[in-house]
Amino acid sequence: DAKTTQPTSMDCAEGRAANLPCNHSTISGNEYVYWYRQIHSQGPQYIIHGLKNNETNEMASLIITEDRKSSTLILPHATLRDTAVYYCIVRIQGGSEKLVFGKGTKLTVNP
Amino acid sequence: GAVVSQHPSRVICKSGTSVKIECRSLDFQATTMFWYRQFPKKSLMLMATSNEGSKATYEQGVEKDKFLINHASLTLSTLTVTSAHPEDSSFYICSARDQGLAVHFGPGTRLLVL
Repeated sequence: DAKTTQPTSMDCAEGRAANLPCNHSTISGNEYVYWYRQIHSQGPQYIIHGLKNNETNEMASLIITEDRKSSTLILPHATLRDTAVYYCIVRIQGGSEKLVFGKGTKLTVNP
Repeated sequence: GAVVSQHPSRVICKSGTSVKIECRSLDFQATTMFWYRQFPKKSLMLMATSNEGSKATYEQGVEKDKFLINHASLTLSTLTVTSAHPEDSSFYICSARDQGLAVHFGPGTRLLVL
């Protein structure tokens, strides 16, 4: 089972910041938080990941709370092409390194 | 960046036939690949973990004789849906883990069984 909970859907206006929350209250100390997104009928696309510090790359920023029980993915200036399902995943450590997907958040960016 | 390809991108077959889907890591070696299935408006469901040179590890409820997985090289894993039936129609997605432990996803294969 997925170890994260996310809102089912969110809306955002084009050009505004999209803040997508994720709860992972049972995360272990050596587990990372990963974010992927899936645009309709495509494979998932990696966005960003982090352990405890906030992270930023060209796509997004990841804010992880100090207790690591939740995080927020921030798309600073959402565009219509950011409409997708966003998955927050806690990476299971171990030899298989498998990623287990929850239901994700369907983000709709409106013009 | 690391690229994973899948072939074919979509396939239509008759009920009872077998279908092979290929997953390739194009610019990196992947000792581990993963196969997922996704039904419409649902999340990805992990089917199995494919390890190069050894038998695949299947998730609970996934029939290993139905979904044959072969990981013959460091850049290729194949999923064969044997004796396909309409309920096997789905979006099949593979992913591959690179040596830096990052996981990269393929574009998916849409299977329609008539």
